[in-house]
Amino acid sequence: GAVVSQHPSWVICKSGTSVKIECRSLDFQATTMFWYRQFPKQSLMLMATSNEGSKATYEQGVEKDKFLINHASLTLSTLTVTSAHPEDSSFYICSARDPSGGGYNEQFFGPGTRLTVL
Amino acid sequence: SQQGEEDPQALSIQEGENATMNCSYKTSINNLQWYRQNSGRGLVHLILIRSNEREKHSGRLRVTLDTSKKSSSLLITASRAADTASYFCATARDQGAQKLVFGQGTRLTINP
Repeated sequence: GAVVSQHPSWVICKSGTSVKIECRSLDFQATTMFWYRQFPKQSLMLMATSNEGSKATYEQGVEKDKFLINHASLTLSTLTVTSAHPEDSSFYICSARDPSGGGYNEQFFGPGTRLTVL
Repeated sequence: SQQGEEDPQALSIQEGENATMNCSYKTSINNLQWYRQNSGRGLVHLILIRSNEREKHSGRLRVTLDTSKKSSSLLITASRAADTASYFCATARDQGAQKLVFGQGTRLTINP
């Protein structure tokens, strides 16, 4: 099946710094990628939809200036958490939709990135 | 926003027993998908069932969908310790829909 990777798998940073997380589709081209946030023992909350070559679409309540998304190629989307604070500590997961999936929206998920802001 | 609700929130059974998890949703859908997540890891796609399907099988997994009740169930037969994980349902509102809306998940523990 399609493979999605994320880098880094975990990161610890100081409050006020910015952190970039990469999401790559390894064996298919993804025009659309998604970024989710997951708190411990909770479900995934969609943050934004990342479209290649255009601006991301953010979900209600997600600060676009705080979570910068760039989807510059068909295989790479990046999420930058700017001026991170302890409340931004979370598990960030990306997914990519395989357009060859017949339109039924099967998504392939990356392994996630654990962000801890001190 | 999360439209799916799953029950139970946590389920603990003995190895070899069957595990059943339920998912309810609120809006009309095109398809419903089940995912598994091992602790601290990404999600693995298990099975997709379309709105015009009522039941689907994949190995030890059996999924049912009742669109009149807006509910789905996931049955894992002959459970194994390796099935220990969290299971999430996710719905797509239409075929071209990009977004999936996830349920709250069921934490399944299989005791050896």
